[in-house]
Amino acid sequence: DTAVSQTPKYLVTQMGNDKSIKCEQNLGHDTMYWYKQDSKKFLKIMFSYNNKELIINETVPNRFSPKSPDKAHLNLHINSLELGDSAVYFCASSPQSTSYEQYFGPGTRLTVT
Amino acid sequence: GQSLEQPSEVTAVEGAIVQINCTYQTSGFYGLSWYQQHDGGAPTFLSYNGLDGLEETGRFSSFLSRSDSYGYLLLQELQMKDSASYFCAGPNSGNTPLVFGKGTRLSVIA
Repeated sequence: DTAVSQTPKYLVTQMGNDKSIKCEQNLGHDTMYWYKQDSKKFLKIMFSYNNKELIINETVPNRFSPKSPDKAHLNLHINSLELGDSAVYFCASSPQSTSYEQYFGPGTRLTVT
Repeated sequence: GQSLEQPSEVTAVEGAIVQINCTYQTSGFYGLSWYQQHDGGAPTFLSYNGLDGLEETGRFSSFLSRSDSYGYLLLQELQMKDSASYFCAGPNSGNTPLVFGKGTRLSVIA
């Protein structure tokens, strides 16, 4: 059974388009996250949700909008894609927001051309 | 804010021992975690130190000294499959995001 899953695994799109990435966890965790990993492998948190409520919103352009329909799902919608958005996006979950152990999804490699 | 510093690259020989250091500057520090990431893969949790001292998990050990704002990951009996990037992360507070170091790329050579 996949613990944290993301779709799609690869996403190639043109500048200006709007795209979504979906994430689901079947671990029963309360907290979910979105991370961005750039080409230099720097892993930076974007958002964190606890029981569907936004608890962390780092400095991210408002073109990025997360949505959590329930605590098992956290989707990421990106409007007006830019070249600089090209990166690998990881979804993760943890039992609680204070948990030190996070479980990462396989990642979505987004390429904007 | 929080910042964690670790070497960018380390090379070691198969069968040897390697130590990856992590120093941090942060307020309200709660503990240090370590994650492993193979090329093309996702980060996976390795260990956590909430208190000073050494935590051992098989071939991997992690150490924390809060007074020195310093920790390390120790990998023993290195295997080729240990070639990966290793990230330290902190500080594990409920409303504070987990901040990752920039990662140390470990290359294990024969």
